[in-house]
Amino acid sequence: SQQGEEDPQALSIQEGENATMNCSYKTSINNLQWYRQNSGRGLVHLILIRSNEREKHSGRLRVTLDTSKKSSSLLITASRAADTASYFCTSGGSNYKLTFGKGTLLTVNP
Amino acid sequence: GAVVSQHPSRVICKSGTSVKIECRSLDFQATTMFWYRQFPKKSLMLMATSNEGSKATYEQGVEKDKFLINHASLTLSTLTVTSAHPEDSSFYICSARWGGLVQDTEAFFGQGTRLTVV
Repeated sequence: SQQGEEDPQALSIQEGENATMNCSYKTSINNLQWYRQNSGRGLVHLILIRSNEREKHSGRLRVTLDTSKKSSSLLITASRAADTASYFCTSGGSNYKLTFGKGTLLTVNP
Repeated sequence: GAVVSQHPSRVICKSGTSVKIECRSLDFQATTMFWYRQFPKKSLMLMATSNEGSKATYEQGVEKDKFLINHASLTLSTLTVTSAHPEDSSFYICSARWGGLVQDTEAFFGQGTRLTVV
């Protein structure tokens, strides 16, 4: 796989607001995945979007994928304090390994 | 979803000793598991791919004699940090994917192990 580059590196918002984070990658992909990591914990899979999909929803999460721009975005609507975590993207190409960038640290203030 | 259990969650050891970290897939067979290391406020660094019944595949720059990986069964992989030193202090995480060496599936992660070498 190839690691994505998440942007911004840090994001601080108030509870109830929406949070948008972006991911860019360099080469062609089969899919792109988003993961969340709470402080001091392992990663949790959030959503997988395939290269032939443009948008996908899961609860309060909305992921878009633009293969022409080699970018993806993760939108968390109506954020909660419990959404405070680091968010990572990674893409599946010709390699089965998953590698990760530095992530976006989201802080949701109550 | 599938569960990957990692143990211990925290360990403190003396410099020069060895530490073993276990990673178990509780409800599926993981022919392949992955070991990562994470420094504070940094990304996860893939250390090695653990293959059931065969030798692990290490990433460039990772000392295989330092970080011994054993994948003796379809549900258990272990990482042993040998002759640990303070610079080995880090957060170690394991993961496994459905079907092993596939591209189109999610990965399941253990809870991580915080290793502190004093």
